[in-house]
Amino acid sequence: AQSVAQPEDQVNVAEGNPLTVKCTYSVSGNPYLFWYVQYPNRGLQFLLKYITGDNLVKGSYGFEAEFNKSQTSFHLKKPSALVSDSALYFCAVRDRSGAKYVFFGTGTRLTVIA
Amino acid sequence: GAGVSQSPSNKVTEKGKDVELRCDPISGHTALYWYRQSLGQGLEFLIYFQGNSAPDKSGLPSDRFSAERTGGSVSTLTIQRTQQEDSAVYLCASSPDSTMNTEAFFGQGTRLTVV
Repeated sequence: AQSVAQPEDQVNVAEGNPLTVKCTYSVSGNPYLFWYVQYPNRGLQFLLKYITGDNLVKGSYGFEAEFNKSQTSFHLKKPSALVSDSALYFCAVRDRSGAKYVFFGTGTRLTVIA
Repeated sequence: GAGVSQSPSNKVTEKGKDVELRCDPISGHTALYWYRQSLGQGLEFLIYFQGNSAPDKSGLPSDRFSAERTGGSVSTLTIQRTQQEDSAVYLCASSPDSTMNTEAFFGQGTRLTVV
């Protein structure tokens, strides 16, 4: 079985400050991990993914995420938040030895305050 | 087309009616997914198609829900005898192949409202 937890429904951060959106996962095997972003009235857009190799992955719009196997986490980060980063963020996991669909978390709404 | 296309973008239907939602995946993508997004519920997996293989229907919430994918391209999600709890945004996504590390490309969704 696979699952994803995004413990924060809402994250507020001041523009220019670093941001973190938390994600933990549970899979029976090894994971593929993804972050997607949903801007208002727009579809989900892929941000970044962890497949293998370097635990720190970099994605679109200056976002990055760190895979931590011991903590089963894949937190999304950005060094300096922009107002335009305000959106709904989804963490997702796929078990390499399990189902072929991606399992999504419930989402975290990020608000960047000017 | 340039992206995944879904139609209609909005659908209001009366309780008990049947509805059909359409998805045109990106040309050449062999994998197609349907998800449902309800307020505060995240994305709920419904069904997955891969090429000519039998679909994974494990996420369909009841036998009122069914989906087809004709010719390995266009997909239709059908909800029979709609109920108010079916109100949600239905999202379709496609990906290039069954390789599990490829990301999915999502359509804009169909917002279904059952009144």
